Amino acid sequence: SQTIHQWPATLVQPVGSPLSLECTVEGTSNPNLYWYRQAAGRGLQLLFYSVGIGQISSEVPQNLSASRPQDRQFILSSKKLLLSDSGFYLCAWSDTGVQPQHFGDGTRLSIL
Amino acid sequence: DQQVKQNSPSLSVQEGRISILNCDYTNSMFDYFLWYKKYPAEGPTFLISISSIKDKNEDGRFTVFLNKSAKHLSLHIVPSQPGDSAVYFCAASAHQGAQKLVFGQGTRLTINP
Repeated sequence: SQTIHQWPATLVQPVGSPLSLECTVEGTSNPNLYWYRQAAGRGLQLLFYSVGIGQISSEVPQNLSASRPQDRQFILSSKKLLLSDSGFYLCAWSDTGVQPQHFGDGTRLSIL
Repeated sequence: DQQVKQNSPSLSVQEGRISILNCDYTNSMFDYFLWYKKYPAEGPTFLISISSIKDKNEDGRFTVFLNKSAKHLSLHIVPSQPGDSAVYFCAASAHQGAQKLVFGQGTRLTINP
């Protein structure tokens, strides 16, 4: 069966520090991969999605970037974190061309 | 511009009764809809979906109804159980194979014993 791993579960970072969140999927090939952010009291906002290695689509201009160095690995990065980057970050996968999306357990990111 | 709206931030229902969660959308291009359930400190879990060619889809205790003319969908849970207490998100896409899901803000459902 397919599983998705996302780490770390919680992260506290100072303003201006870099960020790297990693997500990996097992048990499937060539999945679509997604990064979402949930701000407090808000819905899930799609940040990036990828349909293949090296292919990244950005949904909202922001201080973050994403990369997909391997088929089942998706990385969310920032060179310098802002206070507004705080939130709950979720990685998800889906089979190509098919819903639903399946989510990892998320990373709670707090910026101090 | 909030294309998918869940206007009730919270809902409290007695155990054994029916829970009805509502969702409205504005984009007429949406034709595939999903409901997710989320516990604290976990990612959302897919519950049930419906395509616009249907007006009802049922899976055990969960039924989703779609009213295309009103751009409204609802999730019915019957009977409600304590384990159903969670935040429920509705989501929409332009077609089943679309990469993008647009989520509502969520409704926190509490089932009281």
